[in-house]
Amino acid sequence: RKEVEQDPGPFNVPEGATVAFNCTYSNSASQSFFWYRQDCRKEPKLLMSVYSSGNEDGRFTAQLNRASQYISLLIRDSKLSDSATYLCVVNLYGQAGTALIFGKGTTLSVSS
Amino acid sequence: GAGVSQSPSNKVTEKGKDVELRCDPISGHTALYWYRQSLGQGLEFLIYFQGNSAPDKSGLPSDRFSAERTGGSVSTLTIQRTQQEDSAVYLCASRQDRNYGYTFGSGTRLTVV
Repeated sequence: RKEVEQDPGPFNVPEGATVAFNCTYSNSASQSFFWYRQDCRKEPKLLMSVYSSGNEDGRFTAQLNRASQYISLLIRDSKLSDSATYLCVVNLYGQAGTALIFGKGTTLSVSS
Repeated sequence: GAGVSQSPSNKVTEKGKDVELRCDPISGHTALYWYRQSLGQGLEFLIYFQGNSAPDKSGLPSDRFSAERTGGSVSTLTIQRTQQEDSAVYLCASRQDRNYGYTFGSGTRLTVV
């Protein structure tokens, strides 16, 4: 089983739609979680951290279910500018030299 | 600096040549990472530096790859005897501590011909 798994998509949605991305991770010791956004031929950029209680940033809502080892990202009222690849990222604590582990990403295309 | 700086932004090299890629992290960030991303693929972890600790080299794909971080700041990734499969975007990232996500540089696009 891969460490971080995401549905690659693509998700093709009209402007204004609500879309949800899911991600599962294999290591129950994972301690911190993030969503990154990557535009075509650009570097990944941090979108938001994911907290156990769930968190919201404008139109974006992230949820974490530790029991199921599952992370989600909800985008409401999609904009054309939301078109990108969304990367699910997990981090292990307590181990020296641990890096962030990236999923392969879910591609979103928002059309007018 | 304000962000993570990488150079060169693009590098075309002949198979068998050595290349050096440079990363200048955000000032004060103790952790520095190298990843690479091949076309249409996810990010592949290469190496990690944390302060003065020994680096985690577990992601380096072969002994042709090495990296250094001098003075806890600038890092250089060296690829010796480049092969065509080394062609990828090499991304450097730094972060303040484990509670934060990374900030990536804009990458070096390496093409081995």
